[in-house]
Amino acid sequence: AQKVTQAQTEISVVEKEDVTLDCVYETRDTTYYLFWYKQPPSGELVFLIRRNSFDEQNEISGRYSWNFQKSTSSFNFTITASQVVDSAVYFCALSEETSGSRLTFGEGTQLTVNP
Amino acid sequence: NAGVTQTPKFQVLKTGQSMTLQCAQDMNHEYMSWYRQDPGMGLRLIHYSVGAGITDQGEVPNGYNVSRSTTEDFPLRLLSAAPSQTSVYFCASSSSSTSGPLNEQFFGPGTRLTVL
Repeated sequence: AQKVTQAQTEISVVEKEDVTLDCVYETRDTTYYLFWYKQPPSGELVFLIRRNSFDEQNEISGRYSWNFQKSTSSFNFTITASQVVDSAVYFCALSEETSGSRLTFGEGTQLTVNP
Repeated sequence: NAGVTQTPKFQVLKTGQSMTLQCAQDMNHEYMSWYRQDPGMGLRLIHYSVGAGITDQGEVPNGYNVSRSTTEDFPLRLLSAAPSQTSVYFCASSSSSTSGPLNEQFFGPGTRLTVL
């Protein structure tokens, strides 16, 4: 069975600090997909990134970067020079190839960036 | 494209009442699903569909029914609402089904349901 764990329930930082959100997953499939979603206070879910299990290259998009390590089953998300607008709940999610498009979400991490 | 739309945005029910949460997408996506979001538990899959006429249960299906008569629509029915069903409900769609690369899931804006 697939499982996603986000051990950090809440994180609070001061603006311009770097912050890393942890995500650890469990799966028996060799082919799977990992996602990060952002949920701002307005409540909608915003897609940030998708990574498949065969691509372990780290990815950078502006102030966002993702570190995928199959050896530790982790897919961590770093925000560099955080801003108040980054305040949101962030979800990590997993889908196994054998389960189609079904997503298993972690519990989410509430990030608060203070001015 | 409107994307994924959900109605209503807010709903208050009394225990035992029934209602249908509506979900529609205009992207011709095969795959649609319903999730519920509860504090501290992330999103959990209720039911999903890989195409018109095909539905299956997710992680927490009890108390909910679904049907998929068209590609566009995927309503979620609560037959007899219970306080435990107080939650935020999200509908999602994507262009993949059970094979091939998984594409991004597009989420609707959510329905906040309170059962008294």
